[in-house]
Amino acid sequence: AQKITQTQPGMFVQEKEAVTLDCTYDTSDPSYGLFWYKQPSSGEMIFLIYQGSYDQQNATEGRYSLNFQKARKSANLVISASQLGDSAMYFCAMREAGGADGLTFGKGTHLIIQP
Amino acid sequence: DTGVSQNPRHKITKRGQNVTFRCDPISEHNRLYWYRQTLGQGPEFLTYFQNEAQLEKSRLLSDRFSAERPKGSFSTLEIQRTEQGDSAMYLCASSPPPSQGGLLQQYFGPGTRLTVT
Repeated sequence: AQKITQTQPGMFVQEKEAVTLDCTYDTSDPSYGLFWYKQPSSGEMIFLIYQGSYDQQNATEGRYSLNFQKARKSANLVISASQLGDSAMYFCAMREAGGADGLTFGKGTHLIIQP
Repeated sequence: DTGVSQNPRHKITKRGQNVTFRCDPISEHNRLYWYRQTLGQGPEFLTYFQNEAQLEKSRLLSDRFSAERPKGSFSTLEIQRTEQGDSAMYLCASSPPPSQGGLLQQYFGPGTRLTVT
């Protein structure tokens, strides 16, 4: 079974609009962390935001926020006021406290911001 | 400020040859990770080190893959007898100890793109 599911292979959004990228996860570990990374065409993975399973508040980092719905096992990324430079692949990932220390990634969403 | 570096950035090799990639983590980071990313997929975790100890290697794709971190600093990933299916981007990441926020994120290098002909 997929541990991280990203159901949107690609998205087109008008510049300055807000965009929500979907991510659902599957784990039985009560302690885990959820991550979002951006991968532009250059290939480097850029960390955006982190949410811990015990965090009470939704994480925010500048224009990025994470809509964490624990009961639904959902961790959607919200980008406010999108910019042309936001065009990239976006990956949701999880680390389980009881598992190996590596991240498990979803297949990603290709976001294209149109002027 | 130097991030994670990887060399070479690109490698083209013929099937059956051995290849070795190098990763230099951020200097104070004691944890180092290797991932493989094939076209259209997210990165796939392969192995990781805490200092010089390799704590997870069951995810390595076959016995043709091996990794070392002999002095707890840089690491190498070797693929023996390469196959066309090994063509991918190989990513390295590092993180500081948990006491310094190491569970919060991994810092990735630019990757080594391997093409096996």
